[in-house]
Amino acid sequence: AQKITQTQPGMFVQEKEAVTLDCTYDTSDQSYGLFWYKQPSSGEMIFLIYQGSYDEQNATEGRYSLNFQKARKSANLVISASQLGDSAMYFCAMREPGSTSNTGKLIFGQGTTLQVKP
Amino acid sequence: DAGVIQSPRHEVTEMGQEVTLRCKPISGHDYLFWYRQTMMRGLELLIYFNNNVPIDDSGMPEDRFSAKMPNASFSTLKIQPSEPRDSAVYFCASTLGDWNEQFFGPGTRLTVL
Repeated sequence: AQKITQTQPGMFVQEKEAVTLDCTYDTSDQSYGLFWYKQPSSGEMIFLIYQGSYDEQNATEGRYSLNFQKARKSANLVISASQLGDSAMYFCAMREPGSTSNTGKLIFGQGTTLQVKP
Repeated sequence: DAGVIQSPRHEVTEMGQEVTLRCKPISGHDYLFWYRQTMMRGLELLIYFNNNVPIDDSGMPEDRFSAKMPNASFSTLKIQPSEPRDSAVYFCASTLGDWNEQFFGPGTRLTVL
């Protein structure tokens, strides 16, 4: 069964520094998608970045980049130049491959709480 | 454009009462997902619909939970009777086609006393 593992329950980073949040996944499928979502204390789920399993380049979105290492089955999120507003819970998720009758579900990791220190 | 809309945002009820959570997906989206978030279990998919038809309800915890999507712009998640262990944040999300992003609503925080 597909599985997402985030081994860091909590992380601290100094403002303006970069931070890496770890995510490993387990799947036997060749086609899948990897996602990162941010959940601030207000509770909403904010999409950050997506990486397809066949994408050769690492995905980037502004200060967010995804360090995709397919052979190691890891999809770490890198946040550059951390800001106080980056303090939140971060979830890694994987989309299972779909079929003609199933779009493929999102499976979430347990999350990592990031605190940015001024 | 309006995002996914959920109501109510907060619900406090007593054990045994019926609870109905509502969701309006983004216009034009053909997939709708219901998730539950708890400290113990994290984020888990309960059910999802495609073109108003339930596709996978394997995550629905028990028969007390039911979900409907009578049209493309409205879905409900009902719990009857509610129990304290149902206390959680319930999210609705929608997306379109072969997606690479799900758009989440703000969530409904349910407390069952």
